[in-house]
Amino acid sequence: DSGVTQTPKHLITATGQRVTLRCSPRSGDLSVYWYQQSLDQGLQFLIQYYNGEERAKGNILERFSAQQFPDLHSELNLSSLELGDSALYFCASSVGPGMSTDTQYFGPGTRLTVL
Amino acid sequence: ELKVEQNPLFLSMQEGKNYTIYCNYSTTSDRLYWYRQDPGKSLESLFVLLSNGAVKQEGRLMASLDTKARLSTLHITAAVHDLSATYFCAGPDYGGSQGNLIFGKGTKLSVKP
Repeated sequence: DSGVTQTPKHLITATGQRVTLRCSPRSGDLSVYWYQQSLDQGLQFLIQYYNGEERAKGNILERFSAQQFPDLHSELNLSSLELGDSALYFCASSVGPGMSTDTQYFGPGTRLTVL
Repeated sequence: ELKVEQNPLFLSMQEGKNYTIYCNYSTTSDRLYWYRQDPGKSLESLFVLLSNGAVKQEGRLMASLDTKARLSTLHITAAVHDLSATYFCAGPDYGGSQGNLIFGKGTKLSVKP
């Protein structure tokens, strides 16, 4: 158990819908990262927040957005869902702001299925 | 943007044998990470290699880093079934996403009795 929690574990929804994935980082970690894992694209970095502020953006679609709240939990919002958005979404956390020696610890993931 | 290539992508081994997974990366990096993923599960951090020549060992796994060759290796000694998993290497993408991790495609290891 990495100490990173994610809810829900599974999510099944229809095309065009909007969903919210939630992540709580390890105690003491200030950074939260979101990754998408799919069979065709592999593991891709989406976005990072550090202490409430957006720190870095990766291959995140405009239909996706995220935020980190004052209690440091983070939410990833996915809207206008398409079949291709079906994937495993991981949250990871680390102590520092990135570009450091920090290890990123991964949560259990949310499996999103878009029908 | 950093490119990370692992090979092989699939590896079927017999118990008791040794093998090495290779991780090549495209741009200068001073560190490299190895993770393990069991089917349908999360990623577990195995090693963080922070300097040229770094070598770390945990049980039957040993990882090394050669920053000049842009190569990291994960060596498996006397494989056992419990090591069956997918292994990912990852490097920080300083030039692209501000140091966030770029992952290889993973090496799916299957250890057979």
